[in-house]
Amino acid sequence: SYELTQPPSVSVSPGQTASITCSGDELGNKFASWYQQKPGQSPVLVIYQDNKRPSGIPERFSGSNSGNTASLTISETQAMDEADYYCQAWDSNTEAVFGGGTKLTVL
Amino acid sequence: EVQLVESGGGLVQPGGSLRLSCAASGFTFSDHYMDWVRQAPGKGLEWVGRARNKPNSYTTEYAASVKGRFTLSRDDSKNSLYLQMNSLKTEDTAMYYCARESGYGFDSWGQGTLVTVSS
Repeated sequence: SYELTQPPSVSVSPGQTASITCSGDELGNKFASWYQQKPGQSPVLVIYQDNKRPSGIPERFSGSNSGNTASLTISETQAMDEADYYCQAWDSNTEAVFGGGTKLTVL
Repeated sequence: EVQLVESGGGLVQPGGSLRLSCAASGFTFSDHYMDWVRQAPGKGLEWVGRARNKPNSYTTEYAASVKGRFTLSRDDSKNSLYLQMNSLKTEDTAMYYCARESGYGFDSWGQGTLVTVSS
C-alpha cells in the first residue's frame, strides 16, 4: 500500500519560515493536500492540489510538490500556527492516504 | 455556511455494531463525494472510506482495515451520509469525522463523533 512519510516534529522561531516535508513514491505525479489540526479541533484544509489555498487561509501558507516530495511552507510563522500538520494524497484515485503528521512548535 | 454534524457514536463491546450518521447542510450534498476519516486517541488521521455521488453510481471504496466490516451509504434526499460498522474491534476506537471532498482534498469536516470499543 502507498505510504507518505513526514518528520514527527519541526520547530521554528516566530517570524521565521517553517517547512514541512512529505515523502512518497512519485508523489509529484499525484495531487497533495495539507491539513492543520489544533488540539481538540477538527482538521482544516490549508493547501489542496499541491499549491492552492482555500478561501480564508492566509497567504503565508504555500505548497509545492515535485519528484518524491511535497512541502508545506509557512512564512512569517506565528504562534497561532502551532499545530499538527498532515499531508494527504490519493493512491490510484481510490484510496486516500495520510502522512503520519508533523507537530509544528513555534518557540 | 457548510455544516457537517456527526452523530451515533458511543461505547460498544468488541464484536458489536454501530451506525454513524452525518447530516450535511449549506451546500448541494448530491454534488459531492463524501468520506469518513477517523483518528485514534493521540494518533494521526486514517481514511475509512468514500461514497461517490449519483453521476458516479454511488460507488463506495474502503480502507483495507475496514473492508468487509464497514459499509458506507448516503441518502441525498436527506442530505445524509452513514457508516454502518459491524464486527467492531478495539482498534476501531477513534473519533470519526465526516468530510466533504472537493478538488482532491477534504475541504469541510464535521466536529466528529467518538466511538469506543471496549468490554
